[in-house]
Amino acid sequence: GENVEQHPSTLSVQEGDSAVIKCTYSDSASNYFPWYKQELGKRPQLIIDIRSNVGEKKDQRIAVTLNKTAKHFSLHITETQPEDSAVYFCAARSAGANNLFFGTGTRLTVIP
Amino acid sequence: NAGVTQTPKFQVLKTGQSMTLQCAQDMNHNSMYWYRQDPGMGLRLIYYSASEGTTDKGEVPNGYNVSRLNKREFSLRLESAAPSQTSVYFCASSVGEGNTEAFFGQGTRLTVV
Repeated sequence: GENVEQHPSTLSVQEGDSAVIKCTYSDSASNYFPWYKQELGKRPQLIIDIRSNVGEKKDQRIAVTLNKTAKHFSLHITETQPEDSAVYFCAARSAGANNLFFGTGTRLTVIP
Repeated sequence: NAGVTQTPKFQVLKTGQSMTLQCAQDMNHNSMYWYRQDPGMGLRLIYYSASEGTTDKGEVPNGYNVSRLNKREFSLRLESAAPSQTSVYFCASSVGEGNTEAFFGQGTRLTVV
């Protein structure tokens, strides 16, 4: 099955700086790549996703890029704020599959 | 519209005891999932149900059984709990049929002593 690796496991940035989280996947047939944010003690919630026919997608301060050739995708958060502090998970879905494979998560801390 | 609702929120079991985690969604989704979340391991799929009447094993199915009771409800059963099953369990649902945006329940923190 699909194998998703995520780096770094922890990330600390100063408020206002940018944060980048990277993921790689193993199955070249994967075609859907969502990112989830999980605040402490809460449920994971979708923040942005990208499909394999698109190279980049933006939503206000967050963006995701996809490099199908290299099989990696990244989450970019600009102008970070303390409320961005959370654990972020990337995921991938293989074509024809009905479930997501998750990375191991990145704990982002934004220092005021 | 409650989304995905799980019960209970917390549970402590003794080794060997059994229990069922309940999950219900009111979004008319076709697909439902059970994940476990362990520190440093991310979210790992236990079982899923692509549609009413079907269930399939995920990455870590050993020690668990599931029942898709109807379109709304998908339960997870531990027949003989083991300390290795101490985890946070999340139920999720999605529209299915190629749309896998998953909506999660609030989680169940299970401790097996």
